[in-house]
Amino acid sequence: TQLLEQSPQFLSIQEGENLTVYCNSSSVFSSLQWYRQEPGEGPVLLVTVVTGGEVKKLKRLTFQFGDARKDSSLHITAAQPGDTGLYLCAADEDMRFGAGTRLTVKP
Amino acid sequence: EPEVTQTPSHQVTQMGQEVILRCVPISNHLYFYWYRQILGQKVEFLVSFYNNEISEKSEIFDDQFSVERPDGSNFTLKIRSTKLEDSAMYFCASSGGGESYQETQYFGPGTRLLVL
Repeated sequence: TQLLEQSPQFLSIQEGENLTVYCNSSSVFSSLQWYRQEPGEGPVLLVTVVTGGEVKKLKRLTFQFGDARKDSSLHITAAQPGDTGLYLCAADEDMRFGAGTRLTVKP
Repeated sequence: EPEVTQTPSHQVTQMGQEVILRCVPISNHLYFYWYRQILGQKVEFLVSFYNNEISEKSEIFDDQFSVERPDGSNFTLKIRSTKLEDSAMYFCASSGGGESYQETQYFGPGTRLLVL
């Protein structure tokens, strides 16, 4: 069973700032998903990364999969209050989620 | 856009009662999952289902739990005799259809279960 560690656990920033959150493991993944979850709702898929070194962009969000496929990062440029939420990573091997990074963007 | 739906959105039950949570996965998906999330805690995998049988289950998914695909559209999670600690948000997910990457899972909105 591989453990997905996400950092930071909490992040509170001002609107307009940039931020990066991380998802790390000692194991190799064949693919990794990033989700955003708002209180009382189900996780919503943001992206799936599959290839080592892959970079995917979704508007102001940039997702990177490490070359060794053991880690991933999510970078948000010019954060907005609508980005507030719990960001989760999940690996397909055993369908386990990280504990998430709870992001708050203050106007 | 196709989506996973779940009913009911909220369920309150007495300890020891049976509950059935219902899910309608995305229609062309082949893999189905149940997860739970206790308030304030991480999302936990319960079970995956493929080709009308359980393909994987976690240590949480004990004999009190069962899953079924009674027809071509519904996927259910039954808890036979609920315990207080079963109170959680239960999410259904599906994957493996069309052009999406097979393991990419799409989640329903969840059923909030409260056991009194």
